[in-house]
Amino acid sequence: QLVLTQSPSASASLGASVKLTCTLSSGHSTYAIAWHQQQPEKGPRYLMKLNSDGSHSKGDGIPDRFSGSSSGAERYLIISSLQSEDEADYYCQTWGTGIQVFGGGTKLTVL
Amino acid sequence: EVQLAESGGGLVQPGGSLRLSCSASGFTFSSYWMHWVRQVPGKGLVWVSRINTDGSSTDYADSVKGRFTISRDNAKNTLYLQMNSLRAEDTAVYYCAGRWELGYWGQGTLVTVSS
Repeated sequence: QLVLTQSPSASASLGASVKLTCTLSSGHSTYAIAWHQQQPEKGPRYLMKLNSDGSHSKGDGIPDRFSGSSSGAERYLIISSLQSEDEADYYCQTWGTGIQVFGGGTKLTVL
Repeated sequence: EVQLAESGGGLVQPGGSLRLSCSASGFTFSSYWMHWVRQVPGKGLVWVSRINTDGSSTDYADSVKGRFTISRDNAKNTLYLQMNSLRAEDTAVYYCAGRWELGYWGQGTLVTVSS
């Protein structure tokens, strides 16, 4: 079964970096994913598509502070030089035969 | 500029029906898969349905299969979601999203199923 697992919460200080993790279920370690950001009271925003080899393609207007990497079944979203507007929920998402799947989301708090 | 604008949400009684629309602009609508995603306020995103570029292929989450129907009109750049036999657990904000990897998002429309 295709499942994405995310930690419910994370925190980091203003100006620091943070690495959010999304883990693919067993047997799906080669799958690409997408990362989405949802700021409070707003609709989601696409950040990037992230492949199993770590290559990624970002959406229009996504700052260079956002990047991605991969290791095995884990997919990472790295945000550097954290700003207050980065405080948001972050969702990973993937796709399979007949379905699309979201992770449960990580709530990022900027201290 | 890419824009997706959902409409058609509102209050409906259990067992009732509602049709959501999503008007697209700023990109070649007919070239992309389209999706519906929902979110109970305060909870996570849940994928509902997707449709291919010409409408010939559709997929649904198990929770809505047999009750919801996704469709599109490429001449009108519009995506639809026909929702029948609505239940309280269908209450959510419904978003339309474009592209296979959901690269474009709308702002959502609230559907409330309650008596």
